[in-house]
Amino acid sequence: VIWMTQSPSLLSASTGDRVTISCRMSQGISSYLAWYQQKPGKAPELLIYAASTLQSGVPSRFSGSGSGTDFTLTISCLQSEDFATYYCQQYYSFPWTFGQGTKVEIK
Amino acid sequence: EVQLVESGGGLVQPGGSLRLSCAASGFTFSSYEMNWVRQAPGKGLEWVSYISSSGSTIYYADSVKGRFTISRDNAKNSLYLQMNSLRAEDTAVYYCARILPSIVGAYIDYWGQGTLVTVSS
Repeated sequence: VIWMTQSPSLLSASTGDRVTISCRMSQGISSYLAWYQQKPGKAPELLIYAASTLQSGVPSRFSGSGSGTDFTLTISCLQSEDFATYYCQQYYSFPWTFGQGTKVEIK
Repeated sequence: EVQLVESGGGLVQPGGSLRLSCAASGFTFSSYEMNWVRQAPGKGLEWVSYISSSGSTIYYADSVKGRFTISRDNAKNSLYLQMNSLRAEDTAVYYCARILPSIVGAYIDYWGQGTLVTVSS
């Protein structure tokens, strides 16, 4: 099983801030990592796949980086619609695993 | 437009059974691998099960192995999850999710809206 440590679990920020979320793997996964955004009462939505490739339709203020064991999701200029919970997920091997989630809240 | 619509959730007693369905439309269902992912109330996401496009390859999370069975009917564009011996800890929203194959691995690109399963006496 590949364990994932996502941090922080809670991030308080203001509109316009640059925010960074980290995801660390217990073993290397190359670039087989996705990031999802979830709003309350809704299904998750894909933001980034292959660690750094932006899904079609996702604003360019979102970016992903990393490979191997350490990955980062960055939102360059936080907008009101970005307040949500974010999850990383590895699809390198089964069982697929998700990070614990990072809730981005309004400061 | 890709659509995944889950159904079959509800209240069931511990030890009981439930069958979830996921109706797919807007894409060639038989060409895609599929997943079930769940989310307990107020908790994070947990991968549950995977099935290949033909149904020949299946994987389960240890937490459901031996109790849950994933299947699909490509003629009906439908995915299923048969859940037996249900426990309180199986209480969650269950999402049906499509897997998109690519040269950089196969990842979830679309999710259904979810169906709530509550296991309680």
